[in-house]
Amino acid sequence: DQQVKQNSPSLSVQEGRISILNCDYTNSMFDYFLWYKKYPAEGPTFLISISSIKDKNEDGRFTVFLNKSAKHLSLHIVPSQPGDSAVYFCAAGDTGTASKLTFGTGTRLQVTL
Amino acid sequence: KAGVTQTPRYLIKTRGQQVTLSCSPISGHRSVSWYQQTPGQGLQFLFEYFSETQRNKGNFPGRFSGRQFSNSRSEMNVSTLELGDSALYLCASSLVGGRETQYFGPGTRLLVL
Repeated sequence: DQQVKQNSPSLSVQEGRISILNCDYTNSMFDYFLWYKKYPAEGPTFLISISSIKDKNEDGRFTVFLNKSAKHLSLHIVPSQPGDSAVYFCAAGDTGTASKLTFGTGTRLQVTL
Repeated sequence: KAGVTQTPRYLIKTRGQQVTLSCSPISGHRSVSWYQQTPGQGLQFLFEYFSETQRNKGNFPGRFSGRQFSNSRSEMNVSTLELGDSALYLCASSLVGGRETQYFGPGTRLLVL
């Protein structure tokens, strides 16, 4: 039972354009969400997070949007840069078992010149 | 500050053997979590240790076990290896766990033949 789903395994975007990565979840107990970026041969690197009491969080070029009623979150990267090419994982947790993160299967982003 | 380190980075074992993986968290971090990453499955939570005690556990069979030492270093052990145990094993550390950001190591890639 995949509680966190990233339905697009890959995405290709031109440099300078917006990248939008999507994530859906099914567990209503999740109350915080994170995005991680992963390069080959490295561990995931934390990007940005959002609590369920918010619907938007920004950090530089990265913005995460949360739609609780739709159980959907998205990561916007503006403008996209070639160095953003990586696999992006969304993850969710609930305060009751807080350190236990449930991850999606990842979306491979390719930013082309 | 040094990041999370994992040893060994690569390992080849045969079915039926056992294996021990090691994780050294960021200095001062007391929570260590372990994840298994396989193609198409994303990262799946194995367990979390805090102050030498297992605090959270994922849905893995009892062949998967772990421990944490007084210096917060952690080991995970897999006994009676199966082909399906081939995966990237990642550990992540945070100060005290909970909703804090988890910082990942580069992982140990295990191949079971």
